[in-house]
Amino acid sequence: DADVTQTPRNRITKTGKRIMLECSQTKGHDRMYWYRQDPGLGLRLIYYSFDVKDINKGEISDGYSVSRQAQAKFSLSLESAIPNQTALYFCATSGTISGSQETQYFGPGTRLLVL
Amino acid sequence: QKEVEQDPGPLSVPEGAIVSLNCTYSNSAFQYFMWYRQYSRKGPELLMYTYSSGNKEDGRFTAQVDKSSKYISLFIRDSQPSDSATYLCAMRITGGGNKLTFGTGTQLKVEL
Repeated sequence: DADVTQTPRNRITKTGKRIMLECSQTKGHDRMYWYRQDPGLGLRLIYYSFDVKDINKGEISDGYSVSRQAQAKFSLSLESAIPNQTALYFCATSGTISGSQETQYFGPGTRLLVL
Repeated sequence: QKEVEQDPGPLSVPEGAIVSLNCTYSNSAFQYFMWYRQYSRKGPELLMYTYSSGNKEDGRFTAQVDKSSKYISLFIRDSQPSDSATYLCAMRITGGGNKLTFGTGTQLKVEL
């Protein structure tokens, strides 16, 4: 089974609709992240969470909100979707790979189309 | 100007070629450097991880960091069609909540 899972994998919605993207992990990591990926812009951080009680904005948080329901679950919501939010969304978790070195492990992504 | 610059490609090479992928950066506080590989319609996966300056080798892959020039490279020897993917460089400062700054990615195609 995958360590980081995202649902749904694909989603088409209409302008103005509220949608939620979900992320679950079995890696036991405390830190979780949401990114969006756009052609030519790379990965940009939307929100990140160091633990259940700690939520932080990333560089492009406007129009998005998050919820950390448990250590293993981190959800991203688009309150009122707009076409500009059409992108590939990735969830990631952060943990050590050796000693104190940390890196991020990514889910498979959610492809979102806002009409 | 972006903090991390990466040529988007696409880069097309014949099978067996040596591939060189590069990133430049402007923040001298970056200490940890990573290369991720991303296949089409998949999430990025960690390929190489280095700390500070120097080289690191893992099989056909070599990561090189030159902090004095603010320049990092990934070399792929004996490239294979299965290496066809987008390669993302990423880097971070010490601490900082492990937030990564990514390059935009270089698309590589290895042709038979």
